Amino acid sequence: SQQGEEDPQALSIQEGENATMNCSYKTSINNLQWYRQNSGRGLVHLILIRSNEREKHSGRLRVTLDTSKKSSSLLITASRAADTASYFCAPLRAGRRALTFGSGTRLQVQP
Amino acid sequence: EAQVTQNPRYLITVTGKKLTVTCSQNMNHEYMSWYRQDPGLGLRQIYYSMNVEVTDKGDVPEGYKVSRKEKRNFPLILESPSPNQTSLYFCASSARDSPTGELFFGEGSRLTVL
Repeated sequence: SQQGEEDPQALSIQEGENATMNCSYKTSINNLQWYRQNSGRGLVHLILIRSNEREKHSGRLRVTLDTSKKSSSLLITASRAADTASYFCAPLRAGRRALTFGSGTRLQVQP
Repeated sequence: EAQVTQNPRYLITVTGKKLTVTCSQNMNHEYMSWYRQDPGLGLRQIYYSMNVEVTDKGDVPEGYKVSRKEKRNFPLILESPSPNQTSLYFCASSARDSPTGELFFGEGSRLTVL
């Protein structure tokens, strides 16, 4: 399977701290996307990084991609209680037509 | 408002009783897909559709059927539900004919099969 594997499975931090989540995958990719899921709700797209990009920013989010290590990281800076959610990476293999998702990282931000 | 709408949101049924979960999107998206989410297994793709009358199996298609007669609708059919199909189901759509862009998800349909 080409799904990403997120690490850690769970993360608990205090409000104001930074949160870093990692994703590893197994095959060459076209792009990699990060999604967020509030408990029991649908996933929401956060950011997409293409295989020829190394870093991308969106507001408090910073995503990096290392294709040589087949890994990506999502950094949320100055976290807020509202950031509490599960975060999923979804690598898209070149030539494939479907995103696959791992089990996610459950982030708890304590107020 | 751009959205993907699933119905029902919650359903409890019994083994063998056929059911359909509807999915509709108002964004004129070509690509639509169904996923199921189970604890410890993440989201797994059931079926997807690149466009009207074009459907393909995902990773876990057994026990499910889909159809794509109209661009906006992509119903998921369980002909004879079994308890192992108890899960949280998500429909998703994308603006292009391949999901290289952003996927939009519905709010989910929680199905329990007794």
